[in-house]
Amino acid sequence: DTGVSQDPRHKITKRGQNVTFRCDPISEHNRLYWYRQTLGQGPEFLTYFQNEAQLEKSRLLSDRFSAERPKGSFSTLEIQRTEQGDSAMYLCASSLIGTLNTEAFFGQGTRLTVV
Amino acid sequence: AQSVAQPEDQVNVAEGNPLTVKCTYSVSGNPYLFWYVQYPNRGLQFLLKYITGDNLVKGSYGFEAEFNKSQTSFHLKKPSALVSDSALYFCAVRDRMDSSYKLIFGSGTRLLVRP
Repeated sequence: DTGVSQDPRHKITKRGQNVTFRCDPISEHNRLYWYRQTLGQGPEFLTYFQNEAQLEKSRLLSDRFSAERPKGSFSTLEIQRTEQGDSAMYLCASSLIGTLNTEAFFGQGTRLTVV
Repeated sequence: AQSVAQPEDQVNVAEGNPLTVKCTYSVSGNPYLFWYVQYPNRGLQFLLKYITGDNLVKGSYGFEAEFNKSQTSFHLKKPSALVSDSALYFCAVRDRMDSSYKLIFGSGTRLLVRP
């Protein structure tokens, strides 16, 4: 499978626990994005990386959230001290900037439920 | 600020009939416009995009969309709906001046095609 993959697909955690999600982008893609999608809403931008550099963070990304993309390959999104409001689908997308086809390709997402 | 509006939460159409899913946008300057589809437990799949040129854009699975600058619209259309087209459809806009290439999504429209 050469698409964007995310792990785990589902995560149930107790409030206050830390969780970490992983995203493996399409291998040659230099951009990686994280979005959050709540029920009945479209995805909302959280942050993005150009290779290993994190270039922008949305104000939706509180201090409890941190993302990394070591070596410009896979990325992790960590949420510390989870709250019920963090329950959502977390989507990862990747794209290749510098060509004509710059559309983003999305993974299947990680559904987080905080109980 | 950029925004996307999908005025219909749900569109119902009979199989074989034409379908239209509406989208209007607000962005400074000329936008890039996209349609994505989301099937249950699947990630977002890219359908089509408008970058420049011909206002009628053709995409995957027989879908097309028409860019109308004066009405700031980018409605998704298909001449003959299939039951398998039933899914959640998202319109998205990207600001040409935003180097992040992040997408601003609408809230989505659920398409239900009845046999």
